[in-house]
Amino acid sequence: EAQVTQNPRYLITVTGKKLTVTCSQNMNHEYMSWYRQDPGLGLRQIYYSMNVEVTDKGDVPEGYKVSRKEKRNFPLILESPSPNQTSLYFCASSFILGRYEQYFGPGTRLTVT
Amino acid sequence: AQKITQTQPGMFVQEKEAVTLDCTYDTSDQSYGLFWYKQPSSGEMIFLIYQGSYDEQNATEGRYSLNFQKARKSANLVISASQLGDSAMYFCAMREGTGRKTSGSRLTFGEGTQLTVNP
Repeated sequence: EAQVTQNPRYLITVTGKKLTVTCSQNMNHEYMSWYRQDPGLGLRQIYYSMNVEVTDKGDVPEGYKVSRKEKRNFPLILESPSPNQTSLYFCASSFILGRYEQYFGPGTRLTVT
Repeated sequence: AQKITQTQPGMFVQEKEAVTLDCTYDTSDQSYGLFWYKQPSSGEMIFLIYQGSYDEQNATEGRYSLNFQKARKSANLVISASQLGDSAMYFCAMREGTGRKTSGSRLTFGEGTQLTVNP
């Protein structure tokens, strides 16, 4: 089954404790992206990657890191989480050329206390 | 810079009636794509419909159609014959640089419209 998976689905952590949210897709997509969703703000892009070893900042990259060492994986790293990073996070992937829609993972709900 | 505006935070519709969800956009690109996604209360993002800036016909997918008015920079979603299961948050999104031969990347979302279908 074609899908984007994220882990964990739910996470409660404390300020300053490093964490990683994993994302994996099995569709051989070149493009992968991370978004955060906050009430009244829609989804905002954090980072994206056009291919292996190619990453770029989105609209709200502060406080986040990413890496793309393999085509299928695109982990999101919070080196020192803060309460304002409490949010719902989505990973998405797609082909680059043409009209292809982005496929979204199920989301990770993160709470930082 | 890209911008997507959804001016209706909430909409209500009676079951079996049609509803239009508004979306306006702003971009300096000539080549772009417009998407609508549905997010039910369970949280997943479900792709509904796509319109390319060079597409001459309005996109349709089952009960969903996109009323694309390029000069007005609007891409309204029309849902015909609403069903109770259509109750969800709906997001309009734009992807710059999308075309027949060009690549695209960034997807910019609007704030969303919460649709409630009443029985």
